Order: sequence, then C-alpha cells, then structure tokens
Amino acid sequence: GNSVTQMEGPVTLSEEAFLTINCTYTATGYPSLFWYVQYPGEGLQLLLKATKADDKGSNKGFEATYRKETTSFHLEKGSVQVSDSAVYFCALKSGGYQKVTFGTGTKLQVIP
Amino acid sequence: DAGITQSPRHKVTETGTPVTLRCHQTENHRYMYWYRQDPGHGLRLIHYSYGVKDTDKGEVSDGYSVSRSKTEDFLLTLESATSSQTSVYFCAISDGTSAIEQYFGPGTRLTVT
Repeated sequence: GNSVTQMEGPVTLSEEAFLTINCTYTATGYPSLFWYVQYPGEGLQLLLKATKADDKGSNKGFEATYRKETTSFHLEKGSVQVSDSAVYFCALKSGGYQKVTFGTGTKLQVIP
Repeated sequence: DAGITQSPRHKVTETGTPVTLRCHQTENHRYMYWYRQDPGHGLRLIHYSYGVKDTDKGEVSDGYSVSRSKTEDFLLTLESATSSQTSVYFCAISDGTSAIEQYFGPGTRLTVT
C-alpha cells in the first residue's frame, strides 16, 4: 500500500537558517505529492504540490521537487522566519482513489 | 478560503455516551472526509464519502459511523465514546480531480473522560 515517511521532529532553527524536511514515499502508480502546513490551533492548508516527476512545487519561499528515482519530495526554504513555525505534513494521492496518505508531521520551531 | 465549518469546536463527554460531530461545506464538493489527528500518527482517515448516501471506511473506522444525507453535510458519530477516541477531528473536502488538494476544516477537539 501507499506510505509516506518524513523526518522526525521537532526541528529547531534560528531565523534566516536554511530548512530541509525530508520526505520519502511508497506508492503504486504515479502519485501526486503535497506539502501541507498546520499552524497552531488550525486545520491543515496546502503549501505546495507536484503532480509528475521532476515537477517543482513552490509557494511562500518553500520549494519541493518530485524525484521519482529516489521516491522523495523534500521540503526546502532558504531563509526561515519565526512565522514559519508550524507542523509540516508530506502527503500523496495515488491512482484513481481520492484518499490521501499523510506522513506523521514534522514540527518546526524558528527562534529569533 | 474554502467554506468548511465544523461543530462543535470543542467537546468534553463521558465514556459510553454518543457523540455526533458535524461538518458543513458551502463549496458543493463531491468528496468529504473525516480524519483524526493524534501525536505520532499524523492524520488517519476514519471514513469518507463520495456522494450523498455513498460512504466508505478508512483505516481507523472501528467505533465510528458516518452519514451524508445532503451534499453539504457529513456527520461523524461515535456510538459509545471511549477514552481512546480522545483526539482532534478534522473534516476535509475535495472536488475529486486527481491532482487537486483537499481543503480542511478548523477541527474539533474531543475529550472523552
């Protein structure tokens, strides 16, 4: 079946540091890949997505590239801000089904 | 923002009592989902619906039932709440396009004492 593995948190960074959150997946067919972000006390919201191999999703300075050969979709940002503190979820949707498989989430804390 | 509301937002109930959570959407999306979020588990799918009166089980459906009598409403019922069902519950919607994302509601924090 489908599965998503992402790095354990929490991740603590200083403001303006470089961020990488690793995500690898196992899926049948050709999945679409997503990063969602959850701010404290809120629901998840889509951060970025990629629908085919070598696509790069980007939003708000965050980027992730769909790497089919390594089955990865790592999230990166060049310079994090305190306002980026949140929980980040990697997810995939595969085949004709409308169900999404989520990773366990990585908590990011950015300190001034 | 997608129009999704959940009610109640917070609830404390006793073991053995029935509980119903409501999800309401104004987007006319076909698919609706109930997830629970627990530390160390991320989001796990409880049930989902692919149309009025059409529902199916997710990976953690035991102890839960759902109903969808109208496009806009998706109800999650705990017939007899247990402490293991203490969690944050999220509703999500999707229009069904293969690459489109799901939109999430604000969540309901349920505590079973």
